[in-house]
Amino acid sequence: QSALTQPASVSGSPGQSITISCTGTSSDVGSYNLVSWYQQHPGKAPKLMIYEGSKRPSGVSNRFSGSKSGNTASLTISGLQAEDEADYYCCSYAGSSTFSYVFGTGTKVTVL
Amino acid sequence: EVQLVESGGGLVQPGRSLRLSCTASGFTFGDYAMSWVRQAPGKGLEWVGFIRSKAYGGTTEYAASVKGRFTISRDDSKSIAYLQMNSLKTEDTAVYYCTRVPTIATFDYWGQGTLVTVSS
Repeated sequence: QSALTQPASVSGSPGQSITISCTGTSSDVGSYNLVSWYQQHPGKAPKLMIYEGSKRPSGVSNRFSGSKSGNTASLTISGLQAEDEADYYCCSYAGSSTFSYVFGTGTKVTVL
Repeated sequence: EVQLVESGGGLVQPGRSLRLSCTASGFTFGDYAMSWVRQAPGKGLEWVGFIRSKAYGGTTEYAASVKGRFTISRDDSKSIAYLQMNSLKTEDTAVYYCTRVPTIATFDYWGQGTLVTVSS
């Protein structure tokens, strides 16, 4: 199972909105609304930001939103803040024939 | 407060074995599936494996890269999940995270991670 494709880096100024894409195939992202997104600051464990495509866990800012179109899922961060600077990973279920989860390649978000 | 604490990491030679533990607290451990995710130095996240709760048979699933070498088990009476790693390879060097899995493809709580270094 190949990793989902994410842009290596995305940047924006404070207050702007940015979108991170996560492209898979019809065997993973395209077949299931089971994409989650994780934020990871340097030296820290990942943190769940979005699950089941667009749901936000309790405590996660509503500046974070998720969506999907075809084989591509997206994470949008609105009102970009300095503390949003981190690495972001998507993850999808990919288990049509063999149970599997697949992560994205990761995106470094820089706040200019 | 949900807490997951990994232990058991360290330096091990290629071909040897190591067992990691994940001690959970703050929730009813037996009600949840648990998963292990790893991250090689400077690299991205990689799913390693998954164990269902006893209510769903307690069965396991593994990534192709570790299938046949790694085994996940659980002791619900102690709230501990284990990752037994055999025939270790240099490419298994990574920080190993324990995660709670409330629904499919959702890892809602993570431990702090434990570093496993496979080197001669």
